[in-house]
Amino acid sequence: IAGITQAPTSQILAAGRRMTLRCTQDMRHNAMYWYRQDLGLGLRLIHYSNTAGTTGKGEVPDGYSVSRANTDDFPLTLASAVPSQTSVYFCASSEMGGETQYFGPGTRLLVL
Amino acid sequence: SQKIEQNSEALNIQEGKTATLTCNYTNYSPAYLQWYRQDPGRGPVFLLLIRENEKEKRKERLKVTFDTTLKQSLFHITASQPADSATYLCALVAISHGYALNFGKGTSLLVTP
Repeated sequence: IAGITQAPTSQILAAGRRMTLRCTQDMRHNAMYWYRQDLGLGLRLIHYSNTAGTTGKGEVPDGYSVSRANTDDFPLTLASAVPSQTSVYFCASSEMGGETQYFGPGTRLLVL
Repeated sequence: SQKIEQNSEALNIQEGKTATLTCNYTNYSPAYLQWYRQDPGRGPVFLLLIRENEKEKRKERLKVTFDTTLKQSLFHITASQPADSATYLCALVAISHGYALNFGKGTSLLVTP
């Protein structure tokens, strides 16, 4: 069982470019989440989805969008990247909202 | 606003001693609280969940207490080992965000031989 996979592992991106971070889980979990983690700020929720077809905004959603077309995939898109979006991005899933979360290995993004 | 506070300073202890980490929260009425471990360059990994009606919970060398009156959880690692060195995060449910988790910033633990 792979759990949660994220791609790419790392990326250097020019400011203004569009990028999609991929996240796939094989646990058939209903809920999925995107967090960013920055030094001194901890994990902050960007967007979440409690079930396929629904999404919601987290603490820091500006500049990001998500979709949840099926149970397994939860891509995060940066429409026009800015340097402040340099961060480590973690995708996570849980059976239901509020329960134990399982995290992917992260994507390290540098926006120049 | 809701806050989760963990000791920002790193905790350095000697192998074999008990490590105690603190998580304090405000403006939450949690039914349960979770603890996670994060190693450098990796995603957090779930360790323990304690419910509001459980004063204490144990798993091998780990022990968690939960005092809803003090709004505090303590996380203990007994007989600590260098392999326990990591950052430990506590987490509470963010009802306003679809029942996602809000995480504290974590406490870094270093266990030296």
